[in-house]
Amino acid sequence: SYEVTQPPSVSVSPGQTARITCSGDALSAKYAYWYQQKSGQAPVLVIHEDRKRPSGIPERFSGSTSGTMATLIISEAQVDDEADYYCYSVDVRGNPGVFGGGTKLTVL
Amino acid sequence: EMQLVESGGGLVKPGGSLRLSCAASGFILSDHSMNWVRQGPGKGLEWVSSISSTSQFIYYADSVKGRFAISRDNAERSLYLQMNSLRPEDTAVYFCARAMGDTAPNDGFDIWGRGTMVTVSS
Repeated sequence: SYEVTQPPSVSVSPGQTARITCSGDALSAKYAYWYQQKSGQAPVLVIHEDRKRPSGIPERFSGSTSGTMATLIISEAQVDDEADYYCYSVDVRGNPGVFGGGTKLTVL
Repeated sequence: EMQLVESGGGLVKPGGSLRLSCAASGFILSDHSMNWVRQGPGKGLEWVSSISSTSQFIYYADSVKGRFAISRDNAERSLYLQMNSLRPEDTAVYFCARAMGDTAPNDGFDIWGRGTMVTVSS
């Protein structure tokens, strides 16, 4: 079955840039979506269609892709950005959907 | 305010059944694909199922195919998940999520409910 892979954890100091990667064979053809989930809360969509930012999401959040890898970039990371981040995509047929295992971002 | 509220979770024995509901408000349900996503205790997110706006297209994760059935009633502004032959590994918080358009599962999920807990245990 199709999988997308993320690092389990990323750590940065406040004000630095955090980069969270997501790799999957179909990512060169299918969009990546990124979700932020804080403890005990529902996920929040922070990036859609590889690099688009929903309204209300700070400009510090951006996305990029290169080949079969998508990257979530959080510029000037803040303590409030600490959360689990999930990549989501689909396989080349457009189904099924699949989440990456999640990346715990620590900002300290 | 656009909102999704799940209900119907609870404790059920292995092999049992449960029907989850998701009530939508503040937007036109029939404009969007809808989805179920679950999260086991201490685990990551898992996509479960998607249904197109008119119910023409339905998709399931392999882990639930043949046991779960997604449906919707746009007039009632509701989404459902009928879960049969439940297993302990189905224990999770089940989230209802709205797709931005009508192309789920290949779409972003921009509105989420708070989730309803399903526990499968004897």
